[in-house]
Amino acid sequence: AQSVTQLDSHVSVSEGTPVLLRCNYSSSYSPSLFWYVQHPNKGLQLLLKYTSAATLVKGINGFEAEFKKSETSFHLTKPSAHMSDAAEYFCVVSEENYGQNFVFGPGTRLSVLP
Amino acid sequence: NAGVTQTPKFQVLKTGQSMTLQCAQDMNHNSMYWYRQDPGMGLRLIYYSASEGTTDKGEVPNGYNVSRLNKREFSLRLESAAPSQTSVYFCASSEKVQPQHFGDGTRLSIL
Repeated sequence: AQSVTQLDSHVSVSEGTPVLLRCNYSSSYSPSLFWYVQHPNKGLQLLLKYTSAATLVKGINGFEAEFKKSETSFHLTKPSAHMSDAAEYFCVVSEENYGQNFVFGPGTRLSVLP
Repeated sequence: NAGVTQTPKFQVLKTGQSMTLQCAQDMNHNSMYWYRQDPGMGLRLIYYSASEGTTDKGEVPNGYNVSRLNKREFSLRLESAAPSQTSVYFCASSEKVQPQHFGDGTRLSIL
């Protein structure tokens, strides 16, 4: 069965500095991987997805993630943090051969300091 | 541009009461999902419906029932609410097998 580990429960950065949110996954098959963002009292919004095409995936709001099979990682990055990036971020893995079974990581809360 | 609409947004129940959470999507998606979100645990799948007329259990189905009323609507019912079901509930819909669109959630407290 697949699983997701988000290595940091909370990350704090200063506005204008780079963001790195770490995600490692475990999967028996070729996984699809996603990053979602959740702002307070809101639903989840898809940031980007990896589905076995290019390993470097670009998403909305300047975020990108790189799929590294050898490291079983799918870390989310952004060159320069903005105050509006403060939110909860979830890494999600799905195995195409496992039906509709999506596993969410526990989430990383990103704080952006002025 | 509504997307996925959940009602109600907030609800307080007493232990043993029943209620139904409503979800509707206007994107003509075949698949719909119910998740619960608890602190530090991400989202966990309760039930899903791959298409109209079908439903399947997810990771945490105990204490819940669902109905896929038509292609647009997917409801979640708590027959006898328990404090352990205090949570934030999210409905999602997608085309094919990938969940892409979430509602804003229902915050449910059970006393």
